[in-house]
Amino acid sequence: GAGVSQSPRYKVAKRGQDVALRCDPISGHVSLFWYQQALGQGPEFLTYFQNEAQLDKSGLPSDRFFAERPEGSVSTLKIQRTQQEDSAVYLCASSFGLAGGETQYFGPGTRLLVL
Amino acid sequence: AQRVTQPEKLLSVFKGAPVELKCNYSYSGSPELFWYVQYSRQRLQLLLRHISRESIKGFTADLNKGETSFHLKKPFAQEEDSAMYYCALGGRNTGFQKLVFGTGTRLLVSP
Repeated sequence: GAGVSQSPRYKVAKRGQDVALRCDPISGHVSLFWYQQALGQGPEFLTYFQNEAQLDKSGLPSDRFFAERPEGSVSTLKIQRTQQEDSAVYLCASSFGLAGGETQYFGPGTRLLVL
Repeated sequence: AQRVTQPEKLLSVFKGAPVELKCNYSYSGSPELFWYVQYSRQRLQLLLRHISRESIKGFTADLNKGETSFHLKKPFAQEEDSAMYYCALGGRNTGFQKLVFGTGTRLLVSP
């Protein structure tokens, strides 16, 4: 089956623009994660969904960042009024169940450049 | 605070040489440790986890709670091992399931 997919793969935005990044997890996966990876850094946790419920959003850097997963499958990460410091690769990952430590399968990422 | 430290940004070895990628962590509780790998132009993928105590592609890693380390080792490096390696920490204290990653080590294996 297909892995986690993300779109767009690349996004260039002017400072102040709103962007929406999409994640299609592996079918049947209950858990979905968003991570932000700045240049030269490891991925950093943004938010976690269990089905449609957003159970942890402690990593969202500001109230300009918003994520949703309304039907428990596809998820969208929205960034309002983008700033240059938002430039990063945004990674989506999904895992099958609820238990901690399950393998997270990563998508290819969306590379966002804010000019 | 939960933290993962990978002290080396780049590790360069010759083919056939032993490899050790260092990872140290700070965590209160029972940690779950992982190694993820990203080959050129590919996505991040799980290499191994400490609870499985398995060897993947010749790599092993042992959790040392006394030294709070989870170093990745391979006795004889191959050119195809060249990649970016990330150590990651999971567990209840990091939140429900989220992973805390180190900054990564780039392994370059030369012929």
